[in-house]
Amino acid sequence: DVKVTQSSRYLVKRTGEKVFLECVQDMDHENMFWYRQDPGLGLRLIYFSYDVKMKEKGDIPEGYSVSREKKERFSLILESASTNQTSMYLCASRSTELNTGELFFGEGSRLTVL
Amino acid sequence: GQSLEQPSEVTAVEGAIVQINCTYQTSGFYGLSWYQQHDGGAPTFLSYNALDGLEETGRFSSFLSRSDSYGYLLLQELQMKDSASYFCAGLFSGGYNKLIFGAGTRLAVHP
Repeated sequence: DVKVTQSSRYLVKRTGEKVFLECVQDMDHENMFWYRQDPGLGLRLIYFSYDVKMKEKGDIPEGYSVSREKKERFSLILESASTNQTSMYLCASRSTELNTGELFFGEGSRLTVL
Repeated sequence: GQSLEQPSEVTAVEGAIVQINCTYQTSGFYGLSWYQQHDGGAPTFLSYNALDGLEETGRFSSFLSRSDSYGYLLLQELQMKDSASYFCAGLFSGGYNKLIFGAGTRLAVHP
């Protein structure tokens, strides 16, 4: 089974702190994604990566950056956390070989910024 | 643009059939996926339609009409455990494939 692991289930940070959210997948998937999920807004795409060291902005990239130095790991970085970044963050991976809309999600990281 | 619209809430009774609709904007559209998410859980993949027509997987079926920019998820023989949020997600290409999600439909199944 594909496993997508997010490093922290719950985080509490202060405004202005730098925050790292880590995601690791074990199925050699090329594509990896970071979404945030807020009530009534669904899942909104922050950034995605189609291969190592490659990244593309999603719909809401402002205030975030990403890093993909190794194929299995995709990190989301909040350079200076703000209260409006309090949210559930979901990492996902996808195989390009299958070319379907199937994403495998991690359990999520719930971030609270005080 | 690349966006998807779906109803925010649907209510049904056990044993019934419910249809959750999804409309999408066509720019770069490849196909339509459906995901289920229980409270506190991660979204899990249900189905993917790239071609027009109905795909059936057990009690769940998914339909796509590319000419109408429309799809739906059909849930039959509803059970209490089907109470969850259901998301449609469009696979779009702007150079590289990405999935854009609708806002989700919360399904409440009552006895």
